[in-house]
Amino acid sequence: DQQVKQNSPSLSVQEGRISILNCDYTNSMFDYFLWYKKYPAEGPTFLISISSIKDKNEDGRFTVFLNKSAKHLSLHIVPSQPGDSAVYFCAAILSGGGADGLTFGKGTHLIIQP
Amino acid sequence: DGGITQSPKYLFRKEGQNVTLSCEQNLNHDAMYWYRQDPGQGLRLIYYSQIVNDFQKGDIAEGYSVSREKKESFPLTVTSAQKNPTAFYLCASSMDSAYDNEQFFGPGTRLTVL
Repeated sequence: DQQVKQNSPSLSVQEGRISILNCDYTNSMFDYFLWYKKYPAEGPTFLISISSIKDKNEDGRFTVFLNKSAKHLSLHIVPSQPGDSAVYFCAAILSGGGADGLTFGKGTHLIIQP
Repeated sequence: DGGITQSPKYLFRKEGQNVTLSCEQNLNHDAMYWYRQDPGQGLRLIYYSQIVNDFQKGDIAEGYSVSREKKESFPLTVTSAQKNPTAFYLCASSMDSAYDNEQFFGPGTRLTVL
């Protein structure tokens, strides 16, 4: 049973608009969340993270929102740029540390259209 | 330059042969991980190691083996017992801290078993 779910396999957004990628989780013991971006045939690169003690973290064009009661987080990209086209993975860490690995969602393929 | 290297980028093997994938990091990270990615799937954890000479099974360890004789190196052997070895394999490392445990990924190795 998937503990981290990204229910949209793909998302198409016009350049300059806002991209919103969603992620849901089922395990209430997750307390740290990360977003990774991945281009084809490359390793994922870290984008932004959020601790469960916060409900928002912002870094430039990227903002992650966390709703603990709904077990939901979202990544907002504003404005969307062509280079943002990639697969985005949501990942979660259990409380107590992440040295035993991250739990990933299946990813959402973001396509930015000109 | 600090980073994680995986070699080779593409690897072909005949069915029934064992094959070892290399992963080296010069980030002085304690923890290292192996994931596999299949089309339409998230990253699934194969093995992880928090410290030299110690490693633990992840979610899909069957048919794989690892060693951690040096801090910088965490090779993965895909054995003939792995039923479906063709996949994209990703190695990662992280500082072993309770929070902010961002994992850095290598470029990946695409293994094709013929």
